[in-house]
Amino acid sequence: AQTVTQSQPEMSVQEAETVTLSCTYDTSENNYYLFWYKQPPSRQMILVIRQEAYKQQNATENRFSVNFQKAAKSFSLKISDSQLGDTAMYFCAFMRRYGGATNKLIFGTGTLLAVQP
Amino acid sequence: EAGVTQFPSHSVIEKGQTVTLRCDPISGHDNLYWYRRVMGKEIKFLLHFVKESKQDESGMPNNRFLAERTGGTYSTLKVQPAELEDSGVYFCASRPSGSSYEQYFGPGTRLTVT
Repeated sequence: AQTVTQSQPEMSVQEAETVTLSCTYDTSENNYYLFWYKQPPSRQMILVIRQEAYKQQNATENRFSVNFQKAAKSFSLKISDSQLGDTAMYFCAFMRRYGGATNKLIFGTGTLLAVQP
Repeated sequence: EAGVTQFPSHSVIEKGQTVTLRCDPISGHDNLYWYRRVMGKEIKFLLHFVKESKQDESGMPNNRFLAERTGGTYSTLKVQPAELEDSGVYFCASRPSGSSYEQYFGPGTRLTVT
């Protein structure tokens, strides 16, 4: 069974600085996706970034980038130039690439990020 | 295009009562998922519909939970009778057929059982 671990329940960062959120996972699969989802206060969860395990290049979306270390089963999220709107709960998630028809997500416990002005 | 909507946003009920949660997926999305987050823990998969059929209900906790998706549009999740441990946030997500990965989430329903 796959598991996802986020060891930082809460983090804080000053506006305009850089912060890194950690995520590790455990799987015997070789083909899978990894995701970071963001849930702002009282709003719905949105996809921030995804990484396909077969791609060695780390994914980047504007100020968001990941450090994907497949052998170490590590998938951290770096947020550069943090903005107040980045304040949210961040969830790391795993999905088997060939998970049959279900494609269910397996989530970590989340990291609550607070961006301070 | 409207996103995934869920109703109610918050429900407080007493142990032993019945509650029905509703999810309206994005129009045209055949795949509908229910997840649950118990306070402080991870978000866990409950079940997956493809149109009106249950594709995978391996995450349903027990037979007090009943999910339906009549007509393949909106879905309901009924908890009967509710227990204290059912408290949490219930999320719904939808995904179009052919899309391999992205699920679009609703805002969740916070269920409190007292």
